[in-house]
Amino acid sequence: SQTIHQWPATLVQPVGSPLSLECTVEGTSNPNLYWYRQAAGRGLQLLFYSVGIGQISSEVPQNLSASRPQDRQFILSSKKLLLSDSGFYLCAWSPGQFNEKLFFGSGTQLSVL
Amino acid sequence: AQTVTQSQPEMSVQEAETVTLSCTYDTSENNYYLFWYKQPPSRQMILVIRQEAYKQQNATENRFSVNFQKAAKSFSLKISDSQLGDTAMYFCAFMKHLTGKSTFGDGTTLTVKP
Repeated sequence: SQTIHQWPATLVQPVGSPLSLECTVEGTSNPNLYWYRQAAGRGLQLLFYSVGIGQISSEVPQNLSASRPQDRQFILSSKKLLLSDSGFYLCAWSPGQFNEKLFFGSGTQLSVL
Repeated sequence: AQTVTQSQPEMSVQEAETVTLSCTYDTSENNYYLFWYKQPPSRQMILVIRQEAYKQQNATENRFSVNFQKAAKSFSLKISDSQLGDTAMYFCAFMKHLTGKSTFGDGTTLTVKP
């Protein structure tokens, strides 16, 4: 069966520090991968999605970047965090060929202080 | 671009009663999926129910059912026999067929009262 791993669960970082959040999927190949951010009490906003290794589409201009170095690995990064980067980050995947539903990781609560 | 609107920020229902959560969306796409997700305090996103846009028949999953009105771009969720464990935030979402890119509403916080 397929599983998705996302870590860490919580992260507190100072303003100006770098960021690296990692997400890996097991039990499938060629998934579409997504990074979402959820502000407090709000819905999910799509930040990045990827249909293959090295293929990244950015949905909103921001201080973050994403990379997909391997088929089932998706990384969210920043060189210098801003206060506004605080939020709950969710990684998700969908079967690349059919895209019938999203499967979510457990999320990372990022607090930038 | 797609938009998803949930006009009810908060709702409450008595245990064992029925409640309906509203959702409207806007799109020019013809092939897409619609979802309701549940987010309990653990913040894990749990899929409640899914509807394919090309299907006229409304989806049902045990106590959960939808009223899908494609022409009106409306997609409401009905929860029957509400249980305390249904207390959560509920999100309506639209997924593009080819890319899987999804747009979410801002959610409805549902409280089931004993």
